[in-house]
Amino acid sequence: AQSVTQLDSQVPVFEEAPVELRCNYSSSVSVYLFWYVQYPNQGLQLLLKYLSGSTLVKGINGFEAEFNKSQTSFHLRKPSVHISDTAEYFCAVSDSGGSYIPTFGRGTSLIVHP
Amino acid sequence: GAVVSQHPSWVICKSGTSVKIECRSLDFQATTMFWYRQFPKQSLMLMATSNEGSKATYEQGVEKDKFLINHASLTLSTLTVTSAHPEDSSFYICSANSGRGETQYFGPGTRLLVL
Repeated sequence: AQSVTQLDSQVPVFEEAPVELRCNYSSSVSVYLFWYVQYPNQGLQLLLKYLSGSTLVKGINGFEAEFNKSQTSFHLRKPSVHISDTAEYFCAVSDSGGSYIPTFGRGTSLIVHP
Repeated sequence: GAVVSQHPSWVICKSGTSVKIECRSLDFQATTMFWYRQFPKQSLMLMATSNEGSKATYEQGVEKDKFLINHASLTLSTLTVTSAHPEDSSFYICSANSGRGETQYFGPGTRLLVL
């Protein structure tokens, strides 16, 4: 079984500032890692994923994340945020050799102020 | 690619009625689809795994007679909330695995309000 911890429930930031949303996971097996974004009253949109290969993963909307196996982390970053990035962000992990059903973190609310 | 749709996006119904929510994979076939429930300001809770041509697998604590799931084709799964009550009011989201199955793609969600 896996678990995901998103350390910050809310991250306020000013427009054009950099941001990092933290995600740590625990698992006894190899994992796949995902970041999803959810805008109000909408479903989840895949931002990026790590399946294998390069530990630095680039996604849509200028986001990137780095898989750090030793620290069991998969933090999401963006060098300069926009107002439109205000949303809920979910980190998820799944067993790479199993059913692929992800376990989600509780979510981090990114609030971008003008 | 990998687009999942849901219908309806909003539904308001009276207590005691049944509501059907459709989940479709538009540009790929999905042998497995998933149904989630999300409460305000909370994460997603997996309700059940829907398998094409067979019975759904429900998570612990989810009433299978209350939440009927049918996966009749490779592109359509339906969730029927039977005899809905106000406590069933929630945001229901479906997802489907694409490709090798390692990535889930989500529908836009259905907001259910039971009066």
